Amino acid sequence: GENVEQHPSTLSVQEGDSAVIKCTYSDSASNYFPWYKQELGKRPQLIIDIRSNVGEKKDQRIAVTLNKTAKHFSLHITETQPEDSAVYFCAATRRETSGSRLTFGEGTQLTVNP
Amino acid sequence: EAQVTQNPRYLITVTGKKLTVTCSQNMNHEYMSWYRQDPGLGLRQIYYSMNVEVTDKGDVPEGYKVSRKEKRNFPLILESPSPNQTSLYFCASRTLGSPPYQPQHFGDGTRLSIL
Repeated sequence: GENVEQHPSTLSVQEGDSAVIKCTYSDSASNYFPWYKQELGKRPQLIIDIRSNVGEKKDQRIAVTLNKTAKHFSLHITETQPEDSAVYFCAATRRETSGSRLTFGEGTQLTVNP
Repeated sequence: EAQVTQNPRYLITVTGKKLTVTCSQNMNHEYMSWYRQDPGLGLRQIYYSMNVEVTDKGDVPEGYKVSRKEKRNFPLILESPSPNQTSLYFCASRTLGSPPYQPQHFGDGTRLSIL
């Protein structure tokens, strides 16, 4: 099955700096890679996703890049703000099949210091 | 409002006392799943269901049961809870089919403490 590894487990940055979180996956058939943000005590919420036929996707201050050859993808947050502080999870899944399911990384605790 | 509703939100119980956590979604989603979240381990899938009467094991199914008798409901059953099942549980749902890459919607979570 799929295995997703996420680094770093904790990340502390100063407000205004950039933050980068990296994930690797094992199943070359995986073709959908979402990122979730989880604020303290709340449910995970999708912030951005990327399909395997796209190398990069951007949404305002958030971007995700995908390297299919190396089987890794990254989340980039620019101009970080204190409200970006949360746990971020990457995930990977293959195309819909009878056994399709989402495999999550272990999470990254991002702290943005004012 | 589109949502996934879990109940209860919090529960403290004792070893061996059967409990059920309910999950209901109002989006007519085919796919539903249960996750547990533990510090340093991320979200691990317990069971999932592709449709009514179709369920399958995730990564950590031991000690859990599920059923999918109706499309909107997907209860999680702990027949004989043990302390190592103390965790934060999330139910999630999404649609299947075309387009294939639909995001999951999560419930607000259920914090279970088993003494």
